[in-house]
Amino acid sequence: GIQVEQSPPDLILQEGANSTLRCNFSDSVNNLQWFHQNPWGQLINLFYIPSGTKQNGRLSATTVATERYSLLYISSSQTTDSGVYFCAVERNQGGKLIFGQGTELSVKP
Amino acid sequence: AAGVIQSPRHLIKEKRETATLKCYPIPRHDTVYWYQQGPGQDPQFLISFYEKMQSDKGSIPDRFSAQQFSDYHSELNMSSLELGDSALYFCASSNGQGVYGYTFGSGTRLTVV
Repeated sequence: GIQVEQSPPDLILQEGANSTLRCNFSDSVNNLQWFHQNPWGQLINLFYIPSGTKQNGRLSATTVATERYSLLYISSSQTTDSGVYFCAVERNQGGKLIFGQGTELSVKP
Repeated sequence: AAGVIQSPRHLIKEKRETATLKCYPIPRHDTVYWYQQGPGQDPQFLISFYEKMQSDKGSIPDRFSAQQFSDYHSELNMSSLELGDSALYFCASSNGQGVYGYTFGSGTRLTVV
């Protein structure tokens, strides 16, 4: 099946710093989403981004489908950005999402 | 906007007991997915339903069963619970075409003691 790899696995930032999280996938996909899992366990949808670039406030994401990777940019990080960031892909339309192992981000004040 | 509603939020059960988790998808979403997330793990797909029929099956134990009802809500039934079943259980819904992605509920945290 399709493999989803995220890097780095862990990241510690000082408040105000910028970061880039990467997601590589092994085959073509119909859908790609980025999620933030907060310390309470909630999975918050950040971006639905099968291709192209999107921005939402301090967050932006880019997916280059032909090269099978996606990047999540966090600028001016805040302590509330802490948590685990998951990339998930859908191989076939309407099919299940396959998650990467996640990047655990810790933002220090 | 309406979200995916899961109940209960927390559940504590003893070994060998039975648990039922409920999921109410976003209105007009016709596909429901169940995921299990163990401690420190990524969510793992269990099972999905499209228009009340099972559409895909993942690593779901035989002790678990699920269904989608006529009002599109879904229930995950778990029997003969084991300690290893302790996890976060998420439900997600989509419009079947996945055009706008999947929306996840807040999850049910099941603890088996």
